[in-house]
Amino acid sequence: LAKTTQPISMDSYEGQEVNITCSHNNIATNDYITWYQQFPSQGPRFIIQGYKTKVTNEVASLFIPADRKSSTLSLPRVSLSDTAVYYCLVGVLISGGYNKLIFGAGTRLAVHP
Amino acid sequence: DAGITQSPRYKITETGRQVTLMCHQTWSHSYMFWYRQDLGHGLRLIYYSAAADITDKGEVPDGYVVSRSKTENFPLTLESATRSQTSVYFCASSDPGGRGETQYFGPGTRLLVL
Repeated sequence: LAKTTQPISMDSYEGQEVNITCSHNNIATNDYITWYQQFPSQGPRFIIQGYKTKVTNEVASLFIPADRKSSTLSLPRVSLSDTAVYYCLVGVLISGGYNKLIFGAGTRLAVHP
Repeated sequence: DAGITQSPRYKITETGRQVTLMCHQTWSHSYMFWYRQDLGHGLRLIYYSAAADITDKGEVPDGYVVSRSKTENFPLTLESATRSQTSVYFCASSDPGGRGETQYFGPGTRLLVL
C-alpha cells in the first residue's frame, strides 16, 4: 500500500490561499488520491479526489503532477472555519470493490484572524 | 433523514464489560467500516463488511466482534472492554460504483473504559 507523507501542521491567516502537499512515492497505477477534512469531534468528510492533472470543486482544487508521486490540496481564501485536520489518502481498489483507505496523522491547519 | 448515525454518542464503561456500538445508514451502501481514532493519531480500520453476512478484519481487530444481519446496520461489540479500547469510534459506509469511491463517516462514539 502506498504510504503518504504530509506536514504535521500548518498555519495561515484568513483570506490567504493554503497549499498542503502530500508525497506518495509508491503510488500504484490503480490508486486514486483522496483528501478528507476532519473537524474536532466529527468524522472525516470527503473534500476532493483525483487521479491525475487537476481537479476543482466548490471547496478546493487538487493538483497532481504527471508522475503522480505527490499531490497538492489548494484551499482558496481560507476562513477560520477551515481550521481542521486534512488527510491525504491513496486508496487501493481491493478486488471485490472498495478502496482500502489508510489514514495517516494528517496535517493540522490552523487559520488565524 | 438520510445519512449515517451512530449510537450512543458517548459511553463510559468498566473493564471487562461488554459494550456494543451501533451504526445505521440509510443509503443502502453495500460497504460499511469501523475505525478507531486515538488522540493525535489518524484512523485505524477495525473491521469492514462488503455486504450483509460478509465481514472481514481490518488493521486492529483484536478484542472486537462485528455482525451484519441487515445491510443498514453494522454493530461493533467489545466483548470484554479494556482500557486500551478507550477511543473514538467512527463508522463509515461506501458504495463502490467503480474506482475511487468515497467513504461517508458517522459522527463518532466516544468510549471511555475505566
